[in-house]
Amino acid sequence: QVQLVESGGGVVQPGGSLRLSCAASGFTFSSFDMHWVRQAPGKGLEWVAFIRYNGKTKYYVDSVKGRFTISRDNSERTLNLQMNSLRGEDTALYYCARGRSGYVDAFDIWGQGTMVTVSS
Amino acid sequence: QSVLTQPPSASATPGQRVTISCSGSNSNVGSNPVNWYQHLPGTAPKLLIYSNNQRPSGVPDRFSGSKSGTSASLAISGLQSEDEADYYCAAWDDSLSGSVLFGGGTRLTVL
Repeated sequence: QVQLVESGGGVVQPGGSLRLSCAASGFTFSSFDMHWVRQAPGKGLEWVAFIRYNGKTKYYVDSVKGRFTISRDNSERTLNLQMNSLRGEDTALYYCARGRSGYVDAFDIWGQGTMVTVSS
Repeated sequence: QSVLTQPPSASATPGQRVTISCSGSNSNVGSNPVNWYQHLPGTAPKLLIYSNNQRPSGVPDRFSGSKSGTSASLAISGLQSEDEADYYCAAWDDSLSGSVLFGGGTRLTVL
């Protein structure tokens, strides 16, 4: 069935790095735009980053620009988020989400999330 | 980046109708479609309404969305206990170099 599975979360010290991955199955991954969305403990949802289906366009929320990089490997059906210079405020559950066909900012499929904790 | 404005909480009894508002600006709600998500604790968020008033397959017609100017609303009729969840609106924002804004979320309690 259509599925997204995130991995790569963990505990990291401030200033450290982590690479999140999201494995897609059950649909033609290379045809869909993808996003990362996060939820800090006790807070609401926050959109983090977007990548076009062909990888040629990327957008980021201001707070992660210059620190996070979104990428994808369509041959491996994988979405990635390289997170550098991590801060305490990056602590959150990170979801990957698919943009609905024709409605790029409507997230119709979500993974279960992977937890990132930034703490010394 | 600012969020879209939602009431932090709402409540109603089973069978009643409840509406949740979402207020934005000309650069987001005023010029782009609004989407709504339902989020139950411990689960992945679920797309409830897209493009202001469209329901994905499988979403009951008890859920409906509307938009006027820079405000949008989600209505839930025939409220059920399983509707108790957090609800978020979201929209693309044109004011920056591409971004999606979420509302702060509304915690719906079914009394």
